[in-house]
Amino acid sequence: GAGVSQSPSNKVTEKGKDVELRCDPISGHTALYWYRQSLGQGLEFLIYFQGNSAPDKSGLPSDRFSAERTGGSVSTLTIQRTQQEDSAVYLCASSLVLSGELFFGEGSRLTVL
Amino acid sequence: GEDVEQSLFLSVREGDSSVINCTYTDSSSTYLYWYKQEPGAGLQLLTYIFSNMDMKQDQRLTVLLNKKDKHLSLRIADTQTGDSAIYFCAESNGSSNTGKLIFGQGTTLQVKP
Repeated sequence: GAGVSQSPSNKVTEKGKDVELRCDPISGHTALYWYRQSLGQGLEFLIYFQGNSAPDKSGLPSDRFSAERTGGSVSTLTIQRTQQEDSAVYLCASSLVLSGELFFGEGSRLTVL
Repeated sequence: GEDVEQSLFLSVREGDSSVINCTYTDSSSTYLYWYKQEPGAGLQLLTYIFSNMDMKQDQRLTVLLNKKDKHLSLRIADTQTGDSAIYFCAESNGSSNTGKLIFGQGTTLQVKP
């Protein structure tokens, strides 16, 4: 597609359940990023992937969070044993090369009850 | 640690100039960015400035950088109702430009007709 595509756009889950969020970046973009946007917290970096290099996971808040990027394209962010504080909008972005010129998707809004 | 601060709200009349201010703490940041987020949408890159520049102009947008004071501003000339959005200032994390950005909390710009 023309832009970064994320699914689901909305997800409501119960505390303790696992969730998977998907990101389909712009074709040809080598770098893919996950950010989290919470009320009162702004945007925080979670993880990025660049080509075949090891991902930079320095922003993942706990070991319940993990992400993978298969075939250098689609990425999945997994949150295990969700907690209420995980409620946020999870934004995926991609860029042609590793840079701050990011193209963002519309986000996946996660609500943990 | 690194931090980016913005005022939360700005209201202007249509046709006036808007000035959105931002302060940052990491003096090694090489790039500083302005992103725009319209309701229900992902972030969109508006413009950026390299740290060795004082000013950058792009149509109605003017970015001013005071590196000594670590102060960045975005001026929007002839503000229109379509400019109503949340504006985020962001700095690159350290001297490398990896797309791992530190964002401010965003300034909501309200443009009154």
